[in-house]
Amino acid sequence: EDKVVQSPLSLVVHEGDTVTLNCSYEVTNFRSLLWYKQEKKAPTFLFMLTSSGIEKKSGRLSSILDKKELFSILNITATQTGDSAVYLCAGHSGAGSYQLTFGKGTKLSVIP
Amino acid sequence: NAGVMQNPRHLVRRRGQEARLRCSPMKGHSHVYWYRQLPEEGLKFMVYLQKENIIDESGMPKERFSAEFPKEGPSILRIQQVVRGDSAAYFCASSPLQGGNTGELFFGEGSRLTVL
Repeated sequence: EDKVVQSPLSLVVHEGDTVTLNCSYEVTNFRSLLWYKQEKKAPTFLFMLTSSGIEKKSGRLSSILDKKELFSILNITATQTGDSAVYLCAGHSGAGSYQLTFGKGTKLSVIP
Repeated sequence: NAGVMQNPRHLVRRRGQEARLRCSPMKGHSHVYWYRQLPEEGLKFMVYLQKENIIDESGMPKERFSAEFPKEGPSILRIQQVVRGDSAAYFCASSPLQGGNTGELFFGEGSRLTVL
């Protein structure tokens, strides 16, 4: 059975701090690793990673994938209170259908 | 361009009743996915549908659960004879192609089912 494990499960930081969120995966016929941000509403897409070692960036967020060690990290620099959310990691299995296996998420709280 | 619309946002049912959750995908999207999120758990894949076809229902419980995506109208997730363990948030997502070119699924805000 496919599995995605995120750590830590929760994290409290002060504004301006840099955080690193971890995601390890075991996904059959792995195709890609995705990161989503979930506030109180719908998960919103952040990144999709398919190749090892290529960093994807969007503003203060960046992510990288290591397909040899089967993990990914999501970095957020200069955190702001608006970054407070649950960050979800998901592995995509290319076996037949677009089925994502999600981790339980990391709950990030950024305090002023 | 409206996003993925789910209704109802909150639904309360007593044990044994039926729950119907509706999802209208984004305009132009023909692929719909249903995920369930139990308390303290990650999102779990349930079913993947295209118009009038169930493509992958490997995540659906074998009994009481069914899904459809008719030619006209929203996708519907139906839970018959609900039990307390069905209490969860049910998320719908859509994409224009299978997973979209970027792998991005567009999620709705979820329907929260509470079974008393």
